[in-house]
Amino acid sequence: AQSVTQLGSHVSVSEGALVLLRCNYSSSVPPYLFWYVQYPNQGLQLLLKYTTGATLVKGINGFEAEFKKSETSFHLTKPSAHMSDAAEYFCAVSVLTGGGNKLTFGTGTQLKVEL
Amino acid sequence: EAQVTQNPRYLITVTGKKLTVTCSQNMNHEYMSWYRQDPGLGLRQIYYSMNVEVTDKGDVPEGYKVSRKEKRNFPLILESPSPNQTSLYFCASSPGTRKTGELFFGEGSRLTVL
Repeated sequence: AQSVTQLGSHVSVSEGALVLLRCNYSSSVPPYLFWYVQYPNQGLQLLLKYTTGATLVKGINGFEAEFKKSETSFHLTKPSAHMSDAAEYFCAVSVLTGGGNKLTFGTGTQLKVEL
Repeated sequence: EAQVTQNPRYLITVTGKKLTVTCSQNMNHEYMSWYRQDPGLGLRQIYYSMNVEVTDKGDVPEGYKVSRKEKRNFPLILESPSPNQTSLYFCASSPGTRKTGELFFGEGSRLTVL
């Protein structure tokens, strides 16, 4: 069975600083990987996804993530944080099984952006 | 507009009073699923459905029922709610079970059971 570990339930950065949210996964087969963002009182929306091909994936709002198979990681980065980036971020892994795709989520990282 | 719609968005109820949270999607998606979100636990899957009349248990199905009589609707039923079912619930849908698994989420239903 696949699993996802997000290191750090809370991350705080200054506005303009680098954002780095860590995600490691375990999967016995090649996974599909996702980052979702949840703003207060809203549902989850897709930031970016890795399926196949280029391992550096660009998403919305200036975020990107790199799939590193050797490290089983899919860390999310943004060069310069903005106040509007404050939200909760979820990493997820999807693996195709006999019963179809199952999406498994990490426990989330709350990003705080300070002036 | 393509969307997943849940109702109600907020609900306070009492122990044992049956309730239903509706979910509807207008994207003709085959796959639908319910998750609950609790602090420190992330999202956990309750039930999922790969197509009409096909449903299966997720990771935390106890105390819940679902049905999938039509492709667009996937209601979540709590026959006898208990306080440990106080949570934020999300319905989600996906184009097909043998694609990437990307989910499209509703805005959530916050349920409080007293």
